[in-house]
Amino acid sequence: EAGVAQSPRYKIIEKRQSVAFWCNPISGHATLYWYQQILGQGPKLLIQFQNNGVVDDSQLPKDRFSAERLKGVDSTLKIQPAKLEDSAVYLCASSPSIGQDDGYTFGSGTRLTVV
Amino acid sequence: GENVEQHPSTLSVQEGDSAVIKCTYSDSASNYFPWYKQELGKRPQLIIDIRSNVGEKKDQRIAVTLNKTAKHFSLHITETQPEDSAVYFCAASRSSGTYKYIFGTGTRLKVLA
Repeated sequence: EAGVAQSPRYKIIEKRQSVAFWCNPISGHATLYWYQQILGQGPKLLIQFQNNGVVDDSQLPKDRFSAERLKGVDSTLKIQPAKLEDSAVYLCASSPSIGQDDGYTFGSGTRLTVV
Repeated sequence: GENVEQHPSTLSVQEGDSAVIKCTYSDSASNYFPWYKQELGKRPQLIIDIRSNVGEKKDQRIAVTLNKTAKHFSLHITETQPEDSAVYFCAASRSSGTYKYIFGTGTRLKVLA
């Protein structure tokens, strides 16, 4: 079983620039999550999708962050404009459909540095 | 709001000794508690999990205990080895796959050879 794929692995941008991250979940996984992990902290949920619908985006800074999951498979997370405090690792995770208790799997993440 | 506290933030043990990491959660509806190991620059990897219908689960040198009344759970690693050195995160959730995980702040474990 292929894992959760993310790209790019690393990105360095200047503040006020925009950036986009891509995630391809495990095949057949209906639920997809984007987490932000600031250095020295635990991952924090930004947004959760169930198929192509948003389940929870309560902690997404909507003035600058946006995410979509067209067709219920791949997802992109965008930041525009970026701030210094957005420097973090952005982790994507996916999990099977409701009723399957297998937990979820993280991708390798995208490390964003805003300078 | 939902919160998970994790202690200690750093832990150093001698090789062969045991290590214990403790977490406390606030959401009484939580019923799934995974533990992740994260090595430097790598993705978090699930190492063990426990559901609220059991009080203890063991997998070789790793065990997790859960006290629902006190809303806390712990990770126990016995006979520690240098390769156990990593950051460990606990999490709490209302579901193993369809609800967000609330993570603790992590424990950096160093196993000294």
